[in-house]
Amino acid sequence: SAVISQKPSRDICQRGTSLTIQCQVDSQVTMMFWYRQQPGQSLTLIATANQGSEATYESGFVIDKFPISRPNLTFSTLTVSNMSPEDSSIYLCSVEAVSPGQFSYEQYFGPGTRLTVT
Amino acid sequence: AQKVTQAQTEISVVEKEDVTLDCVYETRDTTYYLFWYKQPPSGELVFLIRRNSFDEQNEISGRYSWNFQKSTSSFNFTITASQVVDSAVYFCALSEADRDDKIIFGKGTRLHILP
Repeated sequence: SAVISQKPSRDICQRGTSLTIQCQVDSQVTMMFWYRQQPGQSLTLIATANQGSEATYESGFVIDKFPISRPNLTFSTLTVSNMSPEDSSIYLCSVEAVSPGQFSYEQYFGPGTRLTVT
Repeated sequence: AQKVTQAQTEISVVEKEDVTLDCVYETRDTTYYLFWYKQPPSGELVFLIRRNSFDEQNEISGRYSWNFQKSTSSFNFTITASQVVDSAVYFCALSEADRDDKIIFGKGTRLHILP
C-alpha cells in the first residue's frame, strides 16, 4: 500500500484567489490522481498526473483552472485557480500502489483537503 | 456509458445487526473491475476490495462479504454483526479495462450503526 499526506488539510479562501494543494507519498509511484468530492456527493476524477508528462484532464476540467505539477515520483500539486464558491469541495489525491498480499495495483487515497470558498 | 447506482442514500441499523449495501452497475465492457471503498468521518477513503468481471466468486473477509452477480449487474456488500466503528459512507465503484485507472464512483451510502 502507500501512505499519502496532503497539505493543507483544510482552508478557507476568498473568491478570486488560488490555492495550491500538495500531495506527498511515502514511496515512488508512477500514477497519481486528483479527485474532487463536492459536499454530500461522490468523487469525480479531475486528472491523472504521471511524472515527466503533462497531466491528462477529464471532461469538464481544464488546465487553466486546475494546473497540476508532478516534479518527481513521490510528489504532486494541484492548484485551484480563480476560486468561486462552487469550488468548495474536498480535493483528494490518490496513487496506484501494490495491494498488500495481492498481486494487483489498487488506488489508495490521501486524507483530502477540505476547501471552502467565501 | 458506465454508471454505478447506490439506491440507498442512508441506512441506520442497531449494533450487531447484519446490513447489506446495494450496488448496481452499468457498463458495455466485458472486462471491468468493481470496488468498494469506505469513507469514515475522518474523510480518508479506505480501499476494501476489487473484483474483476471474470471472477464471480463471493468474497468473505472477516465480518465483510461481497456478492457479485453479473446476471443482475450487482455487487452487494454485507456487514455481519455490525459495530459502531462501521459507521461511514461506503462507495461502490467501477472501472473499465481500457481505462482501468479511471474509477467511476457511486454516490455512496451513509451507514449509521446505532449503539
